[in-house]
Amino acid sequence: VHLVESGGGLVSPGDSLTLSCVTSGFTFDRYGLGWVRQAPGKGPEWVSSISSTSSYIYYADSLKGRFTISRDYAKNSVSLHINSVRAEDTALYYCARECVNCSASPPFDYWGQGTMLTVSS
Amino acid sequence: SYELTQPPSVSVSPGQTADITCIGETLDDKYVSWYQQRPGQSPILVIHQDSKRPSGIPERFSGSNSGNTATLSIRGTQPTDEAVYFCQTWARSTVIFGGGTELTVL
Repeated sequence: VHLVESGGGLVSPGDSLTLSCVTSGFTFDRYGLGWVRQAPGKGPEWVSSISSTSSYIYYADSLKGRFTISRDYAKNSVSLHINSVRAEDTALYYCARECVNCSASPPFDYWGQGTMLTVSS
Repeated sequence: SYELTQPPSVSVSPGQTADITCIGETLDDKYVSWYQQRPGQSPILVIHQDSKRPSGIPERFSGSNSGNTATLSIRGTQPTDEAVYFCQTWARSTVIFGGGTELTVL
């Protein structure tokens, strides 16, 4: 199982960008996926999750409106689009796979290495 | 909003048992997972559904959940267990993480 994130970097406040995560090593359309971010020296903060069929999408209440998650079944990838980035969005963004058959409240059983987003003028 | 509270740090001597707690309102109504994160690395799932170990996780790691408190126990603690441990649950279609506990083995 591999999850490889990309798309981070240094951006200015107010910019928009899309983070991507390409997956391999598992049957893509059987698993839910999520994005979790971690600011330097802080604990993880969940951002968003999308179900295996894209029928269910969830966002952290504090982030609703600026973040959009989607998945591409042809490319086995999941994306996170962020509008109007803010300094507080600065973090390492992880892509993670939800555990199948781990209950209706699935944990994340595999994580990528993350892509760093830095928002600064 | 729902919150999970963890002690910032726990210290243990090598070979002893480390207990890391996670407190949340009626937490035993929910499933709790635990992650280990070593410096510079991605989190690793060590316990899910309160007490189940994923494949590859040593039997030294165990979990429980009762009342308002979930506990991760690491028996026979080794220096390699030094890491930050996070608890996690779902509440109202939202994923919640605890603030993390830094485990020091000394």
